[in-house]
Amino acid sequence: GQQLNQSPQSMFIQEGEDVSMNCTSSSIFNTWLWYKQDPGEGPVLLIALYKAGELTSNGRLTAQFGITRKDSFLNISASIPSDVGIYFCAGAGSARQLTFGSGTQLTVLP
Amino acid sequence: DGGITQSPKYLFRKEGQNVTLSCEQNLNHDAMYWYRQDPGQGLRLIYYSQIVNDFQKGDIAEGYSVSREKKESFPLTVTSAQKNPTAFYLCASRTQGTEAFFGQGTRLTVV
Repeated sequence: GQQLNQSPQSMFIQEGEDVSMNCTSSSIFNTWLWYKQDPGEGPVLLIALYKAGELTSNGRLTAQFGITRKDSFLNISASIPSDVGIYFCAGAGSARQLTFGSGTQLTVLP
Repeated sequence: DGGITQSPKYLFRKEGQNVTLSCEQNLNHDAMYWYRQDPGQGLRLIYYSQIVNDFQKGDIAEGYSVSREKKESFPLTVTSAQKNPTAFYLCASRTQGTEAFFGQGTRLTVV
């Protein structure tokens, strides 16, 4: 199947620091999605991007849809302890085309 | 409220037994998906369905079966042919061109 390369695989940061993670693909997507998953729970949608070049914010989160439609990044500013979790990117197109990255495990140290 | 519901949250299976995981959505979404997640791993697609009475294999369909008799429901059966079924199972739904929403997951353990 299609592959998304998500990096980094894990991050350890101090509370208050900014975080950046990204996803790249060999395929073009019509939609980029970013999710957060807490332990033992289903992923929750953070941000959805629908246009190449689009930059969208949701509180301390900012995500961009790459101009080539093959990449996206997510930034978290001023991290707090509840930001801990696994962050997934996903590229979406047709009903068949919903592909997830391998996830970024974020740990926030006090 | 609209949403997607998985049940049960925890499920235990004996060796050689088939078990069925439930997924129901009232979002009027056309497409539904089943994913498997192993500890520290990403999401792997088992099956997906675009419309009622139609479904397609994903990347790891062996040992699993599904049905889509109603738009709202997409149950997953883990058969005895699945040799390593212990995992976290996630169901999702979406309409083409929109974001996907997930259920809360079912943790299946073989005892």
